[in-house]
Amino acid sequence: ETGVTQSPTHLIKTRGQQVTLRCSSQSGHNTVSWYQQALGQGPQFIFQYYREEENGRGNFPPRFSGLQFPNYSSELNVNALELDDSALYLCASSFQGVDSPLHFGNGTRLTVT
Amino acid sequence: GESVGLHLPTLSVQEGDNSIINCAYSNSASDYFIWYKQESGKGPQFIIDIRSNMDKRQGQRVTVLLNKTVKHLSLQIAATQPGDSAVYFCAENMAQGETSGSRLTFGEGTQLTVNP
Repeated sequence: ETGVTQSPTHLIKTRGQQVTLRCSSQSGHNTVSWYQQALGQGPQFIFQYYREEENGRGNFPPRFSGLQFPNYSSELNVNALELDDSALYLCASSFQGVDSPLHFGNGTRLTVT
Repeated sequence: GESVGLHLPTLSVQEGDNSIINCAYSNSASDYFIWYKQESGKGPQFIIDIRSNMDKRQGQRVTVLLNKTVKHLSLQIAATQPGDSAVYFCAENMAQGETSGSRLTFGEGTQLTVNP
């Protein structure tokens, strides 16, 4: 069984730039979620994708967007980067339906300078 | 707003002791909870989950207890080992309906340190 993999592991960007983060789901999972984890805090829900469509969104502005592909892999795009976007971005996959535990990748550490 | 929180930010135990990590939640409508372990530089690792129709669930060396009356969740780790040192998060599922996957609200975490 292949777990959730994310790339890149680390990234440094300048304020105002755009970034794309990538995620491959655990085999057999059809739902992908993205979370933002600031240093010393718990992860915060950004959005979830199912059947290649956004299926729920947390309190994040529209400059955070995503995609899910037919093979269930996913991208997180952030436009007009701000300093406060510096965080660990976590991808998690699961089966659709409530009460399905999320399985996380090791994240992408984004630093905005 | 409603959120999941933890009683203590840090917990230090001796190797071989039992550890208890507590969590208080405020959303009485929550019906699914998960405990995660996060080691430095890694993503959260699923430990154990519990549904609201249960009071207790056991795994390998871990037990989760749910008290819906006082909205309290705890994780018990038996015979704690140095490899158990990590940040532990409880998470509450805020998903709504059968068409939703799990959407979790996390607490701030408890740093568990196991002393040899």
